[in-house]
Amino acid sequence: KAGVTQTPRYLIKTRGQQVTLSCSPISGHRSVSWYQQTPGQGLQFLFEYFSETQRNKGNFPGRFSGRQFSNSRSEMNVSTLELGDSALYLCASSLAPGLVHNEQFFGPGTRLTVL
Amino acid sequence: ILNVEQSPQSLHVQEGDSTNFTCSFPSSNFYALHWYRWETAKSPEALFVMTLNGDEKKKGRISATLNTKEGYSYLYIKGSQPEDSATYLCARSNQAGTALIFGKGTTLSVSS
Repeated sequence: KAGVTQTPRYLIKTRGQQVTLSCSPISGHRSVSWYQQTPGQGLQFLFEYFSETQRNKGNFPGRFSGRQFSNSRSEMNVSTLELGDSALYLCASSLAPGLVHNEQFFGPGTRLTVL
Repeated sequence: ILNVEQSPQSLHVQEGDSTNFTCSFPSSNFYALHWYRWETAKSPEALFVMTLNGDEKKKGRISATLNTKEGYSYLYIKGSQPEDSATYLCARSNQAGTALIFGKGTTLSVSS
């Protein structure tokens, strides 16, 4: 069974631009979460989607948004990029929310650099 | 957001040493505690998901315990090997088992 895939793996943008990252969950997984990893803050929760609906959102500005499609694939978008948005963005999938011992499987991440 | 704290921040041991790390979390409204291993250039790999007070989980040389009443979990590695070198993360999840709140991790380096 293929793991979580994320595209692109690396991205360089300039301040003010916008970016879209993509995540394909493990087949059969319907819940997708996004996380941001920075050296200073560690791994921080961005948002979670299930059945094309955002279920939870972390403490990030409105420039960060996402969506989920009917095939469970998810995209996240960051508008008006700032230097501080440079980070590794990780996507994780799980079967569905609310399951006992719900295990999340992480993708390899997208490394975003904002110049 | 409820903070998850991990200690120590980093650790260097010799091959064959046993070691342990601590994860502390607010004990109120607890649902589940997750441990992950994150090796350089790889994806975080789930080790354990623990939900019940007193839970003990084991996978090979790695084991974990959970105390939800006092808000801590220990991860133990017996007979450390160089391949155990990684950052070990713990995270608390919400009631749905998602929206993980991570600690900043303990980075283990094992020398041969």
